[in-house]
Amino acid sequence: ETGVTQSPTHLIKTRGQQVTLRCSSQSGHNTVSWYQQALGQGPQFIFQYYREEENGRGNFPPRFSGLQFPNYSSELNVNALELDDSALYLCASSPPTSGVGEQFFGPGTRLTVL
Amino acid sequence: SQQGEEDPQALSIQEGENATMNCSYKTSINNLQWYRQNSGRGLVHLILIRSNEREKHSGRLRVTLDTSKKSSSLLITASRAADTASYFCATCRSNDYKLSFGAGTTVTVRA
Repeated sequence: ETGVTQSPTHLIKTRGQQVTLRCSSQSGHNTVSWYQQALGQGPQFIFQYYREEENGRGNFPPRFSGLQFPNYSSELNVNALELDDSALYLCASSPPTSGVGEQFFGPGTRLTVL
Repeated sequence: SQQGEEDPQALSIQEGENATMNCSYKTSINNLQWYRQNSGRGLVHLILIRSNEREKHSGRLRVTLDTSKKSSSLLITASRAADTASYFCATCRSNDYKLSFGAGTTVTVRA
């Protein structure tokens, strides 16, 4: 297991609600990336945070937003939830090296939107 | 959209046999990584191969990379029941900050 933790483990929301997912990165890692994994699919990159700034974003609408805190932990916020937002949300942290090397994933948060 | 595509989508083998899965991708890369996922949980990094490398080994794993064909393969030798999982390839392009994953290969190892 990696040192990346995520909370909560599972979450059930209804359409239109808002949700906040949390991630604590592995010690010494200053970069956090978030991925969405729909059932039967591979993870899709949402965005990345480096030193509290958004460092890149995938093809996701603005209702997906995030934060990174001084201790490098991170939050993913999703507003106006839609049924298609039901997925496993994965957080991954990586150490301060150049380029994208190995990423250390947390166990994920399973979000169900009804 | 997914950068990589794994083949086959699913694989069922007997314990002790070898498992081979392939990954094809579309654009030039800096490196290619393989990850394992058990039952919809977090991904575990298996191996990273850089664009200037052709083959890499880690325990029972062997990865090859052919940049001219934009393809990679993962071989698991002497498979065990514990190898039952989904395997994903992920590519990192030059000067990029993200991993692009394929849809994965589901491997079932029968005892």
